[in-house]
Amino acid sequence: EVQLVESGGRLVQPGGSLRLSCAASGFTLRSYDMIWVRQAPGKGLEWTSYISRFGDTVYYADSVEGRFTISRDNARNSLYLQMSGLGAGDSAIYYCARAFSSGGVVVDLWGQGTLVTVSS
Amino acid sequence: DIQMTQSPSSLSASVGDRVTITCRASQDCSNSLAWFQQKPGKAPKSLIYAASTLQNGVPSRFSGRGSGTDFTLTISNLQPEDYATYYCQQYYSFPVTFGGGTRVDI
Repeated sequence: EVQLVESGGRLVQPGGSLRLSCAASGFTLRSYDMIWVRQAPGKGLEWTSYISRFGDTVYYADSVEGRFTISRDNARNSLYLQMSGLGAGDSAIYYCARAFSSGGVVVDLWGQGTLVTVSS
Repeated sequence: DIQMTQSPSSLSASVGDRVTITCRASQDCSNSLAWFQQKPGKAPKSLIYAASTLQNGVPSRFSGRGSGTDFTLTISNLQPEDYATYYCQQYYSFPVTFGGGTRVDI
C-alpha cells in the first residue's frame, strides 16, 4: 500500500526540541519532493518546509526559518523534521506530504499526521 | 507572498445540489492551483491540481476552473461523503500558501 506514516509527535516544553519522522512505503521516496504542512487546532493548513528529491534544495516558511530543519534519507525511505526553540504557536498536527514537479510542487499524497503540543 | 482568499467561509447545501467555491490569489499564479478536501479528524486529501486536473481516483463530479488570480471548485450532484472543508493552495511560488478553507455542511 502506498502510504506515509508520521511519528514523533508528543508533549514538549516551551523552548524544547523535537524530531518528527515520516516513513514512506509502497513507493520510492527518492522519486518525489516532500513537504511538511501543519494545522493548529481548529485552524487551517500552513506549509512549513520543502525538500527536493535529493535534498539539495530546501525552503522554509518565515515562521519556522532558523528553528526547523527538513532532511531526508532516501535509502531508509524516510523524511524528517528537526524542530527547536518550540513555542505555543508551533502546537499543531504535522503532516508530511509527497509532491511531484508540474508547474510547481504538486501534493498528491498525505500522511495521517502526528500531534505536537508545546506546553509547560 | 501570495495571499489566497476563499469564499464563502462556509455554506449549507443538500444532497444533489451543485456547489461552487471561489478562491482568489493576490497575484498571478498562472494555473498552479490545487484543491484539497479535509474531513473532521482526518488528513487532507488531494483533489485537483493545475487548476482543473483531477488527481487519480477523484470522482468526476468535482471540477476546477480558472487561471491567473481567480479560481473555482465545483461539486455537482453533492453526495453525503462530500461534506467536508475544502482548501485551495497556490504552488506557483514559495512560500506555498493555502486559502482559509470553506466548510460545506448540511
